[in-house]
Formats: sequence, structure tokens, C-alpha cells
Amino acid sequence: GQQLNQSPQSMFIQEGEDVSMNCTSSSIFNTWLWYKQEPGEGPVLLIALYKAGELTSNGRLTAQFGITRKDSFLNISASIPSDVGIYFCAGLPRGGSEKLVFGKGTKLTVNP
Amino acid sequence: DGGITQSPKYLFRKEGQNVTLSCEQNLNHDAMYWYRQDPGQGLRLIYYSQIVNDFQKGDIAEGYSVSREKKESFPLTVTSAQKNPTAFYLCASSSGLYTEAFFGQGTRLTVV
Repeated sequence: GQQLNQSPQSMFIQEGEDVSMNCTSSSIFNTWLWYKQEPGEGPVLLIALYKAGELTSNGRLTAQFGITRKDSFLNISASIPSDVGIYFCAGLPRGGSEKLVFGKGTKLTVNP
Repeated sequence: DGGITQSPKYLFRKEGQNVTLSCEQNLNHDAMYWYRQDPGQGLRLIYYSQIVNDFQKGDIAEGYSVSREKKESFPLTVTSAQKNPTAFYLCASSSGLYTEAFFGQGTRLTVV
């Protein structure tokens, strides 16, 4: 089945630093989604991307739908301690006949 | 408020007992899903349902069963046949099978 390669697997940063993570696939996707999961909670949808090249922001978060439609990026600016959690990318493959595919997540730790 | 409610938040069961996890949504979504998450792992699909009275096995359905008698409800039963049932279980729903999913807050099952 479809697979998404999400990297890095984990990040340890200082408060105030910017963060970048990405998700790639060998296949084309129609939709890219980014979720955040805090410890002991369910994932929350942060940003949804529907068009190649699309750049969307949600506060300090910015995500992009790659031009090739095979990747997506999430950036977090000026990180704060409450950014801690696991960030998952997810995608809907081209063709509209396959279910949501998830990356394995990026675990973010922010040191005050 | 519209959303997905999982209950209970924490569940303890003795080995060999079946246990049922509840998932209710009031988003009028057609599709519902159950995922399993182990520490440091991504999300693995157990079962999904596209419409009432219909459901399909996901990637790790063995030892689990579901029902979809109502659009709002998609309970998951963890049977004694599941060899390693201790995990974090997440329910999700989406308007259709090929659209973005929204998650409940999860149920942590511990089997002793």
C-alpha cells in the first residue's frame, strides 16, 4: 500500500527556535494534512492542503503542498513549550479511491 | 458542540476478557475508523466503516470486532483472541471515506 516517509523522527530544540519537518512519498497525493497529538490525547487537525504549491498558515505554523504533489512541509516558527507533541502528516492519494495514509510522526521536544 | 467522544478515557481489564470501547460522533459523518497506537509508533488501522451496517477490516483486524448499527456510533470490541491488547485506541470520523478525518480523545486500554 501507500507509504509516507516522515522526517525527522524526533527533534529536540530550544524555546524560540524554528522547526521544520517534512513528509515524502513515491506516489502523488491529492490532499495533505498535518495533525498534532499531545501526550495522552487524540490527534488534532492543524492544517489541510488541497492544491499543489499551496502555502497555508495557522498562527505560527505554516505548511506547504509540494509542487510535485509527492511531498509536504510543516514549519513552526518561534517554538514555545506547548508545541511539544507528535506531529503527523497524512495524505489522500491521487485517484480518490484510497483511504487516508499516515506518516509515522515527528516527536517534538521543546526545552524552555 | 460537534465532535467525537470516546469513552472511557482509561480502561483496565483482566487477560482473557472481552472489552468494548465506545465511540460516538455528532458530526453527521458517514465514515468512521478505529486505529491502534503503541508507544513510539504511528497509527495502525483496525477497522473502518463507510456507511451504516457496513464495515471493512483494516491492517490489523485480528482479535477485534466492530458494529455499525447507527450512523453516530462505531463501538470496538477487543476480544480475548487479541494477543497484545494493551494500547492507545483512537476513533476517527470523516464526512466521506476519502476526506480528512477528525479524531476522538482516545482510550487507553491496559490488560493485566
